[in-house]
Amino acid sequence: QKEVEQNSGPLSVPEGAIASLNCTYSDRGSQSFFWYRQYSGKSPELIMSIYSNGDKEDGRFTAQLNKASQYVSLLIRDSQPSDSATYLCAVNMISFSGSARQLTFGSGTQLTVLP
Amino acid sequence: KAGVTQTPRYLIKTRGQQVTLSCSPISGHRSVSWYQQTPGQGLQFLFEYFSETQRNKGNFPGRFSGRQFSNSRSEMNVSTLELGDSALYLCASSLEHRGRGGELFFGEGSRLTVL
Repeated sequence: QKEVEQNSGPLSVPEGAIASLNCTYSDRGSQSFFWYRQYSGKSPELIMSIYSNGDKEDGRFTAQLNKASQYVSLLIRDSQPSDSATYLCAVNMISFSGSARQLTFGSGTQLTVLP
Repeated sequence: KAGVTQTPRYLIKTRGQQVTLSCSPISGHRSVSWYQQTPGQGLQFLFEYFSETQRNKGNFPGRFSGRQFSNSRSEMNVSTLELGDSALYLCASSLEHRGRGGELFFGEGSRLTVL
């Protein structure tokens, strides 16, 4: 079974700091990468997608992709208490059946932003 | 634009019973995926349907099944329920078949408790 691995945390940062979340994946053929945010008791919501090596910025969020190292990261600048949530890394990987690709999620990193 | 709608939101069953969960995707979305979320295993892929065809299946026993109708609405069924089936079942829709990339939009989930 292919895997997506994240540091489970919890990760605590002070308000205004940069939060750095990391993810590695095992399927070298993966081409699509996503970060989802899940608040406690809620369903995941997509916050970033990245398909090419390098950085992609969207407001306070920056996704970074390095396919050679099979590494994806998410930076949250000027962290706010409202950013406190679990962040899920998701990678489009070969499925269990080997017949198609499926979105495989990491176990998530719980982030707490302290006021 | 209405989001992904899942029913029922909460249900309690006993071991050996069966359950059917329903999902209405975002209008225009033809791909529907189902995931099981538990504290220990995280988000696990169950299956994906696209244009009424199961295009992908995760590593779950045959007790888990699903279908998709011509209006893209989807149902999943779990037969002979076991205690370990207690979980949050999430449905997600997307514009494209996952195998070609895309982004998932999740419903609020159906929380199943098996006693």
